[in-house]
Amino acid sequence: AQSVTQPDIHITVSEGASLELRCNYSYGATPYLFWYVQSPGQGLQLLLKYFSGDTLVQGIKGFEAEFKRSQSSFNLRKPSVHWSDAAEYFCAVGAGNNNDMRFGAGTRLTVKP
Amino acid sequence: DAGITQSPRHKVTETGTPVTLRCHQTENHRYMYWYRQDPGHGLRLIHYSYGVKDTDKGEVSDGYSVSRSKTEDFLLTLESATSSQTSVYFCAISVQGDYGYTFGSGTRLTVV
Repeated sequence: AQSVTQPDIHITVSEGASLELRCNYSYGATPYLFWYVQSPGQGLQLLLKYFSGDTLVQGIKGFEAEFKRSQSSFNLRKPSVHWSDAAEYFCAVGAGNNNDMRFGAGTRLTVKP
Repeated sequence: DAGITQSPRHKVTETGTPVTLRCHQTENHRYMYWYRQDPGHGLRLIHYSYGVKDTDKGEVSDGYSVSRSKTEDFLLTLESATSSQTSVYFCAISVQGDYGYTFGSGTRLTVV
């Protein structure tokens, strides 16, 4: 079965600085990759997804992610972080069906003023 | 929000009692899921449904059962709650062929 590793449990960045959250996956075939964001007390919201095609994917709220097959990675980036981006971020990998999505343990983002 | 609601939002129950959590959607989506969220584990799939009366187990299904008698409702039952089932439970929905999920706001369950 597929699996996901998010190496960073907690990251702190200054407002206006750039951000990169790491995600590594394990899956034998072409993965379906996702990033979700969770604000405190809320459910998860889909930021972006990758199925095929262009390896640089644009999402909502100014986020983007790049699929690198050679590194089994799908890192999330944002050029300039806003205080409202403080949240927990989850990477997920699916098998291209509707019944088996695996989530990473999450990375908590703190934004310093 | 996105046509998916969970009830109750919070519940405290005693060990050994049965508990049912409800997920209701207004999107008419075929797929529905129950996840639990625990620190350090992310989200783990408990059960999912791919249609009325069609359900299957996820990776952490022991101690849980589900039912789906209508497209819009997916129930999660803890037959005899244990302290290890203290968690935040999320319901999600998806459309066949579109693998991004829409999540509910969660149910925080505490078993004392």
